[in-house]
Amino acid sequence: DAGVIQSPRHEVTEMGQEVTLRCKPISGHDYLFWYRQTMMRGLELLIYFNNNVPIDDSGMPEDRFSAKMPNASFSTLKIQPSEPRDSAVYFCASSFRTNFEAFFGQGTRLTVV
Amino acid sequence: GENVEQHPSTLSVQEGDSAVIKCTYSDSASNYFPWYKQELGKRPQLIIDIRSNVGEKKDQRIAVTLNKTAKHFSLHITETQPEDSAVYFCAAKGGSYIPTFGRGTSLIVHP
Repeated sequence: DAGVIQSPRHEVTEMGQEVTLRCKPISGHDYLFWYRQTMMRGLELLIYFNNNVPIDDSGMPEDRFSAKMPNASFSTLKIQPSEPRDSAVYFCASSFRTNFEAFFGQGTRLTVV
Repeated sequence: GENVEQHPSTLSVQEGDSAVIKCTYSDSASNYFPWYKQELGKRPQLIIDIRSNVGEKKDQRIAVTLNKTAKHFSLHITETQPEDSAVYFCAAKGGSYIPTFGRGTSLIVHP
């Protein structure tokens, strides 16, 4: 397996534009997590899914953020409209039941100008 | 929910010295404690984990200890090498069923 795959690796967009981040988890994993990493706040959990169902989205900062998981092999995190303070590295991770290792993707570095 | 505190935020050591990173957690039901290493520009990767039924676990130069009574756990790296330089994150899995991460410790090993 190629591991957790995220795209794009880098995204630069203008304030107000819609941004969509994509993630393909490891096949067979039933949990998927979206994290945001900044120097100020560290690694923050935004939302997680179990068997494609959103379980806890309390970490999503605002209604501008939304996430979907239409099937077991794909998830998206969308920001609309984007703002400069959304600039961060966004990680997707997956695991098989939460007692086991969470495998992270390479991350998407988002810059909103 | 779970709250994880990690100290120090930055740790600078000389090559060959030992490094210790400490974490405390709040949820007494937590039963899984992983440690992740994140090299500059890379993804976090698991380096060692411990479950609540053991007090210590070792893997070559790294070890983790757990004190459930005091609700704290620590990462110990012996004979540090420059390639150990990275950000280390502790995490605890409690009643929310997902790991909560600490803020991270930037370890710098000087040659």
